[in-house]
Amino acid sequence: SAVISQKPSRDICQRGTSLTIQCQVDSQVTMMFWYRQQPGQSLTLIATANQGSEATYESGFVIDKFPISRPNLTFSTLTVSNMSPEDSSIYLCSVEPGGVYNEQFFGPGTRLTVL
Amino acid sequence: TQLLEQSPQFLSIQEGENLTVYCNSSSVFSSLQWYRQEPGEGPVLLVTVVTGGEVKKLKRLTFQFGDARKDSSLHITAAQPGDTGLYLCAGARNTGFQKLVFGTGTRLLVSP
Repeated sequence: SAVISQKPSRDICQRGTSLTIQCQVDSQVTMMFWYRQQPGQSLTLIATANQGSEATYESGFVIDKFPISRPNLTFSTLTVSNMSPEDSSIYLCSVEPGGVYNEQFFGPGTRLTVL
Repeated sequence: TQLLEQSPQFLSIQEGENLTVYCNSSSVFSSLQWYRQEPGEGPVLLVTVVTGGEVKKLKRLTFQFGDARKDSSLHITAAQPGDTGLYLCAGARNTGFQKLVFGTGTRLLVSP
């Protein structure tokens, strides 16, 4: 397993600004993931972030809007750029420590509200 | 396209009742996981099933993987308010590092 922390836990931002979300893991992991979730609904994968390579984005998500950094094996950031109210959501990071069955462990999430 | 459909989407029951949540797909998965998420927290892994027909029990929760590895179910016996949350199934298409396919989710509310 792994223990993941996220900062900030929540934020209220103005339209047009950017917010960077941090994800810290207590152990070295190869794969990290960023998800978006509307309250009470399922997860939508934004991108996969592996250390030492560019993040891989899912359809509908682009690097200019959601730039990701992965400077080492325990840390990653997701930036939500030029925000609009439609970006209001919960953002979650997760890690796959490397078991055989692709089990993921999640951070507590960042609740973002854009006014 | 959501490859894993869960039913029901929402379930509201009284404490002590039994319930079953279904996770269905037309695709085969090498493994399937169930997560529970409580408000304000991230999803927490409950179980992983990997063999067709496999049944796993976790106290009052029983998980089953379909024989063809295309579907799964979660049965809760004598539900308690602490079981309230969002239940998510998630499948891996292959082994090795990869992303998961998450189900559509089932919101469960257990009232005292």
